[in-house]
Amino acid sequence: GAVVSQHPSRVICKSGTSVKIECRSLDFQATTMFWYRQFPKQSLMLMATSNEGSKATYEQGVEKDKFLINHASLTLSTLTVTSAHPEDSSFYICSARGQIYYGYTFGSGTRLTVV
Amino acid sequence: GIQVEQSPPDLILQEGANSTLRCNFSDSVNNLQWFHQNPWGQLINLFYIPSGTKQNGRLSATTVATERYSLLYISSSQTTDSGVYFCAGLNNLFFGTGTRLTVIP
Repeated sequence: GAVVSQHPSRVICKSGTSVKIECRSLDFQATTMFWYRQFPKQSLMLMATSNEGSKATYEQGVEKDKFLINHASLTLSTLTVTSAHPEDSSFYICSARGQIYYGYTFGSGTRLTVV
Repeated sequence: GIQVEQSPPDLILQEGANSTLRCNFSDSVNNLQWFHQNPWGQLINLFYIPSGTKQNGRLSATTVATERYSLLYISSSQTTDSGVYFCAGLNNLFFGTGTRLTVIP
């Protein structure tokens, strides 16, 4: 079945530094990848949608200069949280959709803590 | 945007009991999917169900698109069913508010 690998699973960083999160589709080509943010005991909020080779589309209220998304290949998308602040601490989840498989496969998530 | 409300927000079941989770959406979502998020945060697809009924083992789901709701049935619940169940519309991936299920032995 479709597998999406997300790394790291957990990261702690200092305020002001940048953190990169990777999302890889292991056994299918992901034409579209999605990034979500989830606060404790809340639902998932879509942050942005990225298509391979083009700029990401950000949801309203998401700062594109703060959350840099790159989808350079059909198997890899990255989310970089720049100049992180404690309020950026959250659970970030990616998902991927392929051309053939119409469902959405999720990564295992990244718990970011900014101290 | 589309509002997706789920009920109940919290549910505690004795192992072996059955339950029904509901998802109401404010507008047509074309497609609907149910997910289970385990206690470690991993999201698993349960059903892609734009309309009609599907069954997979102890789980089944029914979507009535014309009335903008979907139901997820869990029968003979097990402790491993614990977690949060989300429905989501696939148009723009609007996630519901979630139902937190706890199954106690």
